[in-house]
Amino acid sequence: GENVEQHPSTLSVQEGDSAVIKCTYSDSASNYFPWYKQELGKRPQLIIDIRSNVGEKKDQRIAVTLNKTAKHFSLHITETQPEDSAVYFCAARANNLFFGTGTRLTVIP
Amino acid sequence: GAVVSQHPSWVICKSGTSVKIECRSLDFQATTMFWYRQFPKQSLMLMATSNEGSKATYEQGVEKDKFLINHASLTLSTLTVTSAHPEDSSFYICSASKGVNEKLFFGSGTQLSVL
Repeated sequence: GENVEQHPSTLSVQEGDSAVIKCTYSDSASNYFPWYKQELGKRPQLIIDIRSNVGEKKDQRIAVTLNKTAKHFSLHITETQPEDSAVYFCAARANNLFFGTGTRLTVIP
Repeated sequence: GAVVSQHPSWVICKSGTSVKIECRSLDFQATTMFWYRQFPKQSLMLMATSNEGSKATYEQGVEKDKFLINHASLTLSTLTVTSAHPEDSSFYICSASKGVNEKLFFGSGTQLSVL
């Protein structure tokens, strides 16, 4: 099955700085790559996604890049705010959706 | 968007009892639903894929007799944790999509605590 690795596991940034989270996947058949934000005890919320026919996608302060050849994709958050603090999960899907191990982002005011 | 409802949101039970968790797609039909398990500070682990009208597909290492899945209609899937034990305590989350290549929407999760 798919194996998704995510780094770093924890990330602290100053408010206003950028945050970057990276993921790699193993199954070359994966064609859909969503990113989720999860607050403690809550459901994961989809924040952005990208499909394999696209290299980059941006939505306001959030952007995702995909390198199919290298099998890695990244989440970029610019102008971070304290409310961005949460756990972020990447995921990859060929048939089923498999999650990365998560990154706990802390934005320091 | 699409709404996925999950109940109960939390349950406490005695060891040896069975617990049923319901997952409903409220405004769309879901041929396939997914069940995940999440331990504290860990990722979501796919347990099984629930297919309407057929048997669920379980991931390696997940006991199908322990975690019974029923997908009786296009809007409802249930997960029953049979003879629950303390090690089954976890956060269980369901998800559903409108189609094979569509986005997944998650239920609100169920925190199970087995005493």
